[in-house]
Amino acid sequence: GENVEQHPSTLSVQEGDSAVIKCTYSDSASNYFPWYKQELGKRPQLIIDIRSNVGEKKDQRIAVTLNKTAKHFSLHITETQPEDSAVYFCAARGDTGFQKLVFGTGTRLLVSP
Amino acid sequence: DVKVTQSSRYLVKRTGEKVFLECVQDMDHENMFWYRQDPGLGLRLIYFSYDVKMKEKGDIPEGYSVSREKKERFSLILESASTNQTSMYLCASSFPPGDGYTFGSGTRLTVV
Repeated sequence: GENVEQHPSTLSVQEGDSAVIKCTYSDSASNYFPWYKQELGKRPQLIIDIRSNVGEKKDQRIAVTLNKTAKHFSLHITETQPEDSAVYFCAARGDTGFQKLVFGTGTRLLVSP
Repeated sequence: DVKVTQSSRYLVKRTGEKVFLECVQDMDHENMFWYRQDPGLGLRLIYFSYDVKMKEKGDIPEGYSVSREKKERFSLILESASTNQTSMYLCASSFPPGDGYTFGSGTRLTVV
């Protein structure tokens, strides 16, 4: 089955810096890669996603890139702000009949003012 | 506008008790999921369901069972709670093919 690895586990940056979180997946047939943000005490929420037929997607200060050959995808946050502090999860969905996401272990991002 | 509701935010149960965690969604989603969240381990899938009365095992089903008698409700059952089941439990739902999960707020279960 699919396996997703996520790095780093923690990331500390200064406000205004960029942050990059990387994930690798094992199933070459995976075709959907979402990113979730979970603020302290709250539910995970989808912030951006990308499909296997696209190499990059942007939404204001966040972007996701996908390298299908290397089987890795990354979340990029530019001009970080304290409210970006949260745990971020990547996920992948295989191309099987079961429509489940496999999640990475999460990255705790801390943005210091 | 809460769309996935988990019945309890915090729950404390004794070892050996039978525990029911309830999840209700009002979005008419076919797919529903139960995940367990532990520090350093991320979200691990316990069970999921893609239709009423249908269920599939996830990655860590041991010690759990589920019930989906109605489309909007997906229950997680701990047959005999153990201390290693102390965790945060997250319910989620989606339309096929599974894009954009909507998560509930979670139930933090402590087994003593």
